[in-house]
Amino acid sequence: QLVETGGGLIQPGGSLRLSCAASGFTVSNNYMTWVRQAPGKGLEWVSVFYNDGATYYADSVKGRFTISRDNSKNTVYLQMNNVRAEDTAVYYCARENNWGLDHWGQGTLVTVSS
Amino acid sequence: DIQMTQSPSSLSASVGDRVTITCRASQTISTYLNWYQHKPGKAPELLIYGSSSLQSGVPSRFTGSGSATDFTLTINSLQLEDFATYYCQQSYSTPYSFGQGTKLEIK
Repeated sequence: QLVETGGGLIQPGGSLRLSCAASGFTVSNNYMTWVRQAPGKGLEWVSVFYNDGATYYADSVKGRFTISRDNSKNTVYLQMNNVRAEDTAVYYCARENNWGLDHWGQGTLVTVSS
Repeated sequence: DIQMTQSPSSLSASVGDRVTITCRASQTISTYLNWYQHKPGKAPELLIYGSSSLQSGVPSRFTGSGSATDFTLTINSLQLEDFATYYCQQSYSTPYSFGQGTKLEIK
């Protein structure tokens, strides 16, 4: 099970950290991914944390967002800095297995507005 | 970056119909292609991974095929619960891009 928290209303240029707490499996043994869906839009891949520690980002968030992991809390994070209106979306975390995202959280809504 | 293009963007069908959704990659991705079903207010659900492997618990009326750049998702004998939006996603190279989605509506 994956549970995302940390969403909310934030002003443009601000920062926010999303959390994704896992249960039933160990995040350090899996690839963990963030995906988002803006209002009325499709799914957009955001970032991945490989089990070897490598991280990758979509061009739209590179340099502003940082994915990290706390093995002791079995939790993955998405630090969002310098947010923009176009970052408004429901953010999902998901586990990758066999190259597909087989477990998803329920999502957390981030609204960027002044 | 790899671009994923789905067609059609939307389609209408009836319960019991067979429907096919296509997905094209801008470059070869072998069989690193996944399909998801997404309903409003819910988390997306993995249907097919590796182009043709059925995810555990997914009904066998869902089938996937294809390799390289061209892929299809077929739903046989549509059920009421199948009306949703479907996305393809490549997991060949980062960024692991999604298609724009295909909304399947009741006729």
